[in-house]
Amino acid sequence: NAGVIQTPRHKVTGKGQEATLWCEPISGHSAVFWYRQTIVQGLEFLTYFRNQAPIDDSGMPKERFSAQMPNQSHSTLKIQSTQPQDSAVYLCASRGTGGSYEQYFGPGTRLTVL
Amino acid sequence: QQKVQQSPESLIVPEGGMASLNCTSSDRNVDYFWWYRQHSGKSPKMLMSIFSNGEKEEGRFTVHLNKASLHTSLHIRDSQPSDSALYLCAARRGGNYKPTFGKGTSLVVHP
Repeated sequence: NAGVIQTPRHKVTGKGQEATLWCEPISGHSAVFWYRQTIVQGLEFLTYFRNQAPIDDSGMPKERFSAQMPNQSHSTLKIQSTQPQDSAVYLCASRGTGGSYEQYFGPGTRLTVL
Repeated sequence: QQKVQQSPESLIVPEGGMASLNCTSSDRNVDYFWWYRQHSGKSPKMLMSIFSNGEKEEGRFTVHLNKASLHTSLHIRDSQPSDSALYLCAARRGGNYKPTFGKGTSLVVHP
C-alpha cells in the first residue's frame, strides 16, 4: 500500500500562471479531501468528493479554484491565474468506509507563487 | 461555520513529563473528534479518535471527551523528544463527513 500519492511535490509558478495538482487516493477509499495549509491560517478545508461525486466545495475560492475526480483513482485541483497568496502546502487525504473515519493524508504539494 | 479552538498554541515539556492539550468545538451538533499529529515537514497522521463520553487510552496517549461541554483533551505521559510535533484536533458535525480542524498546538519535548 503506497498510501496517498500527490504530484508534484513542489511547484513554482509565476503570478498569473496556472497550476494543476494531482492526487491518487488509497485504492478502495471512497472519499477524497483537499486542504491547504499555511502557518497563518492552519489547515483549511477546500473540497471533498465521495464516490467521485463532488459533495462540498464550500472552502474553494470560487473564481480561480476548481477540482475534479474523473475516476476513482485520481483527483485534480486546478488553480488558475495563481496569486502569491495561493502559496501553501496543498494536502490531499482519502478515507475508507469503516472504523474511525480516519483520513490518510498524502505528502502534500508545496506551491510557491512568485 | 463550526470553529475548533485549541489551547495552548504552544507547549514545552521536559522529557518524561506530561503534556496536556485541549480542544473545544463551537458546534452543539458535533459527534466525533480526532487528534492528528504532524511532525515538521510531514503530513498529519491520526493518533486517536473518540465519540463517546469518557476516556480512551492507547499506550502513552489518553484522550478525554466531555460531550456536554464539547471539549476533548489529549494527554501524553512520559513525553519523548520524538513527540515534538504539531497536534491537530478535528471535529465533525453529525451527519456531515467533513471534519473541521483547529490550528493546532505545537509541542516541544526537550531532553
